[in-house]
Amino acid sequence: SQQGEEDPQALSIQEGENATMNCSYKTSINNLQWYRQNSGRGLVHLILIRSNEREKHSGRLRVTLDTSKKSSSLLITASRAADTASYFCATGLSAGNMLTFGGGTRLMVKP
Amino acid sequence: GAVVSQHPSWVICKSGTSVKIECRSLDFQATTMFWYRQFPKQSLMLMATSNEGSKATYEQGVEKDKFLINHASLTLSTLTVTSAHPEDSSFYICSARSPGGNEQFFGPGTRLTVL
Repeated sequence: SQQGEEDPQALSIQEGENATMNCSYKTSINNLQWYRQNSGRGLVHLILIRSNEREKHSGRLRVTLDTSKKSSSLLITASRAADTASYFCATGLSAGNMLTFGGGTRLMVKP
Repeated sequence: GAVVSQHPSWVICKSGTSVKIECRSLDFQATTMFWYRQFPKQSLMLMATSNEGSKATYEQGVEKDKFLINHASLTLSTLTVTSAHPEDSSFYICSARSPGGNEQFFGPGTRLTVL
């Protein structure tokens, strides 16, 4: 079974609004990563947060990690139409080891 | 950042043929590469972990004799889908782990369509 579960599965917002996606996982992790995938394309690494970190920022992205709840969230502020994509969380059980992907959230940002 | 390429990007083949997909790390040496499969509108599922110079480790339910993996050098891993069938049609994505790091760098994927 998949380690990560994401919600919502699909999200539709207007340009300029914020988008929040959540990811829950089941086992202890070393790190959690967020990726973006445009339709039919490869993955783009967005951000990595380690298990001893609680929050990380990168541009318009903000990621939080709550290891007690085994959950993470990705916030995209001031969304743009170009942010339309699928977003996946992936958990790493140990440093540099395999990643287990969540089901993904399909985000649509309407201009 | 580190770049990983895949070749071909898209392949269509007849049922019963074998297809080889290459994954290359272009500007770093990757001792470990990973192969994933993604069906339409689904997430990535890890198929196998490929370590340079040793046999690949396959995930449960993945047939090692059908999906042959060779990691002969520090910059190249190949996945061969043997005797491909329509149900093998999928998006195959490889990744390479950055040396000494947590991050995996993903290739652009190969779309396989088996007729």
